[in-house]
Amino acid sequence: EAGVAQSPRYKIIEKRQSVAFWCNPISGHATLYWYQQILGQGPKLLIQFQNNGVVDDSQLPKDRFSAERLKGVDSTLKIQPAKLEDSAVYLCASSRLQETQYFGPGTRLLVL
Amino acid sequence: DQQVKQNSPSLSVQEGRISILNCDYTNSMFDYFLWYKKYPAEGPTFLISISSIKDKNEDGRFTVFLNKSAKHLSLHIVPSQPGDSAVYFCAAGYNQGGKLIFGQGTELSVKP
Repeated sequence: EAGVAQSPRYKIIEKRQSVAFWCNPISGHATLYWYQQILGQGPKLLIQFQNNGVVDDSQLPKDRFSAERLKGVDSTLKIQPAKLEDSAVYLCASSRLQETQYFGPGTRLLVL
Repeated sequence: DQQVKQNSPSLSVQEGRISILNCDYTNSMFDYFLWYKKYPAEGPTFLISISSIKDKNEDGRFTVFLNKSAKHLSLHIVPSQPGDSAVYFCAAGYNQGGKLIFGQGTELSVKP
């Protein structure tokens, strides 16, 4: 079974630019999560989807971050405009309903 | 508000000995706990979990202990192997498949 796929793996941008990340979950997993992991900290949930509906986006900075999951499969996370403090690893995870979350390799973002 | 804490940022153990990683939490409503292992440049990998109705769960060399009265869980690795060297995150949730709250991580180094 293929794991969670993410791209790109690395991205360097300047502040105020825009960036987008892509995630393809494990086949058959209805729930998809985006986490932000800042250096030295544990991952923090940004948004959770179940199929293509949002379950929890309480910690998503909605003035600059947006996410969508069209057709209940792939998802994109966008930052516009980026700030220096957005430098982090962005992790995508997926799970079957009420089961363990499995993580992708992450996208490492550096904002200069 | 750090609801899940791993107070030891690092731990060094000799190969063949026991590794004990600790985690404390503050929210008594958590009912599901997990440990993830993370190698550099990879996403977290699920290791073992425990429900709040249990106090111990074992999987091969890995055992997780839960002390609800102390709001404390620990991961025991016996015997430790050099390949176990990684960052270990504990995480807690309100129900399986929902949002996870992560600790800051403990970097384990197993020396040959």
